[in-house]
Amino acid sequence: EVQLVESGGGLVQPGGSLRLSCEASGFAFSDYYMDWVRQAPGKGMEWVGRITYKLESYSTEYAASVRGRFTISRDDSKNSVYLQMNSLNTEDTAVYYCARDDHGSYSAWGQGALVTVSS
Amino acid sequence: VVMTQSPLFLPVTLGQPASISCRSSQSLVHSDGNTYLNWFQQRPGQSPRRLIYEVSNRDSGVPDRFSGSGSGTDFTLKISRVEAEDVGFYYCMQGSHWPPYTFGQGTKLEI
Repeated sequence: EVQLVESGGGLVQPGGSLRLSCEASGFAFSDYYMDWVRQAPGKGMEWVGRITYKLESYSTEYAASVRGRFTISRDDSKNSVYLQMNSLNTEDTAVYYCARDDHGSYSAWGQGALVTVSS
Repeated sequence: VVMTQSPLFLPVTLGQPASISCRSSQSLVHSDGNTYLNWFQQRPGQSPRRLIYEVSNRDSGVPDRFSGSGSGTDFTLKISRVEAEDVGFYYCMQGSHWPPYTFGQGTKLEI
């Protein structure tokens, strides 16, 4: 069974940092791009960023709203992808999902990690 | 690519059909010939679940009362007979033009 499990969410003050983790199981993790998508309270879905696989040099792309503040990385030996979030502001408050990127679709999503940015 | 769903709120009666429209600001036909239009369901308190990919392909375990259709810029998700477990939000998402993949605003289905 394909599973994605996020961890690391929590409450952080504006200007602070947080690192989310997403551990995958049930599929060949190293063969897939992995994305992060977020959902602000009561709002729709917003793509945050993506990391490719080894064959494509683990290249990354980010939404304009997080570029320069967020960094995605992965460790294929641990079947895990990470989202390092710096300089957080209140607009970053959201549930963050990792998702398996099937080149045009997301066939699997994690359960989500709530990040609350507040003083 | 901007994805526009309608309606945004869909009150339905159990056992009756329901339909959600999704329009894209440009054609979703990819250079490889495929059309990467997806539908996701998000039940209350849950993460999204893919129902339909490439316009009309149902995911494993998705009831056959769900169907997708359309082409180019106009797409539809239909539920032939709504059941109580169908309550939640429905999102279309295009994966033909990247970056980024983009979602519709979501349609709230209520009984």
